[in-house]
Amino acid sequence: KAGVTQTPRYLIKTRGQQVTLSCSPISGHRSVSWYQQTPGQGLQFLFEYFSETQRNKGNFPGRFSGRQFSNSRSEMNVSTLELGDSALYLCASSLVAGYNSPLHFGNGTRLTVT
Amino acid sequence: TQLLEQSPQFLSIQEGENLTVYCNSSSVFSSLQWYRQEPGEGPVLLVTVVTGGEVKKLKRLTFQFGDARKDSSLHITAAQPGDTGLYLCGGSSGSARQLTFGSGTQLTVLP
Repeated sequence: KAGVTQTPRYLIKTRGQQVTLSCSPISGHRSVSWYQQTPGQGLQFLFEYFSETQRNKGNFPGRFSGRQFSNSRSEMNVSTLELGDSALYLCASSLVAGYNSPLHFGNGTRLTVT
Repeated sequence: TQLLEQSPQFLSIQEGENLTVYCNSSSVFSSLQWYRQEPGEGPVLLVTVVTGGEVKKLKRLTFQFGDARKDSSLHITAAQPGDTGLYLCGGSSGSARQLTFGSGTQLTVLP
């Protein structure tokens, strides 16, 4: 069974631009979560989607948004990029929404903002 | 805001040594998960603990969830270079799917 696929693996953008990251969950998984990982802040929760509905949102500004499609694939968008948005963005899928359901992470998209 | 503190932040040991990594919080968690992350990859789940006092073993790794469900530890026996990686603990509470992660312990096992 294929794992969680994130594209692209690397992105370089300039301040003020916007970016869209894509995540394809494991087949059959309906829940997709997004996390931001930086050396200073560690792993921080962005949002979670289940059945195309945002179920939970972390403490990030409105420039960060996401959506989930009917096939469970998810995208996240960051508008008006800032230098501080440089990070590894990780997507994780799980079979169902629930605090005991294991998270399966992709290998991330490394975003660099210059 | 629930916070998880991991210690130590960095750990470098020789192959064959034992080590313990700690994950502490002032908050109660419904469950706690441990992940290992290697460079260029996403975290991989090692174990989930849900019951206070629970002990789980995974080969040379032993995980314990505190009685009050506020802390956890990971003990590795006879560490090997393949154990090198970033160890992360993540806790969740109530019905929130959101995991709060600690800052991680970067473990290096030298041959």
